[in-house]
Amino acid sequence: EDKVVQSPLSLVVHEGDTVTLNCSYEVTNFRSLLWYKQEKKAPTFLFMLTSSGIEKKSGRLSSILDKKELFSILNITATQTGDSAIYLCAVRLGNAGNMLTFGGGTRLMVKP
Amino acid sequence: DTAVSQTPKYLVTQMGNDKSIKCEQNLGHDTMYWYKQDSKKFLKIMFSYNNKELIINETVPNRFSPKSPDKAHLNLHINSLELGDSAVYFCASSTGTSKADTQYFGPGTRLTVL
Repeated sequence: EDKVVQSPLSLVVHEGDTVTLNCSYEVTNFRSLLWYKQEKKAPTFLFMLTSSGIEKKSGRLSSILDKKELFSILNITATQTGDSAIYLCAVRLGNAGNMLTFGGGTRLMVKP
Repeated sequence: DTAVSQTPKYLVTQMGNDKSIKCEQNLGHDTMYWYKQDSKKFLKIMFSYNNKELIINETVPNRFSPKSPDKAHLNLHINSLELGDSAVYFCASSTGTSKADTQYFGPGTRLTVL
């Protein structure tokens, strides 16, 4: 069975801290890995990773994929209260339907 | 302009009823999806649909059925609602074709079955 596991389940930090969120996967027919941020409503897209070792960066957020060890990390530097959210990792499989298999999410709370 | 929209935002109903949730996307995407997010915030795919093919997650009860009147809409019909159906249901869409495909989510519909 395809599996995506995120850690930690939850994290509380203070503004200015740097955090690293982890996502490991065991799937057949891997195609890409995606990160989403979910605040109160819909998950919003952050990154898509398809190749190992190539860092994707957007402002204070960055992410990298290791296809050999089957994991990805999402880094957030100089955290702000607005970064408080659930961060979701999903793996897109190469099978029919183009479906995403999600991990359980990491709930990040950034305190002032 | 809202890219992926859902109605209603909230739906409260009794067990045994039949209800529908509507989804529309104006992104010109070919593929649409329904996801269920439970109380523990775990998102799980229910269906993937484009104008050629419906893919059903085998764990979804057949009380759930997607209906697509056209490429921009994918509605979710649920028959004989049960307590365990209470969740937030998200619609999403994507081009569904390229390796760089990204799914965009609607705002969700919170369904409460009493």
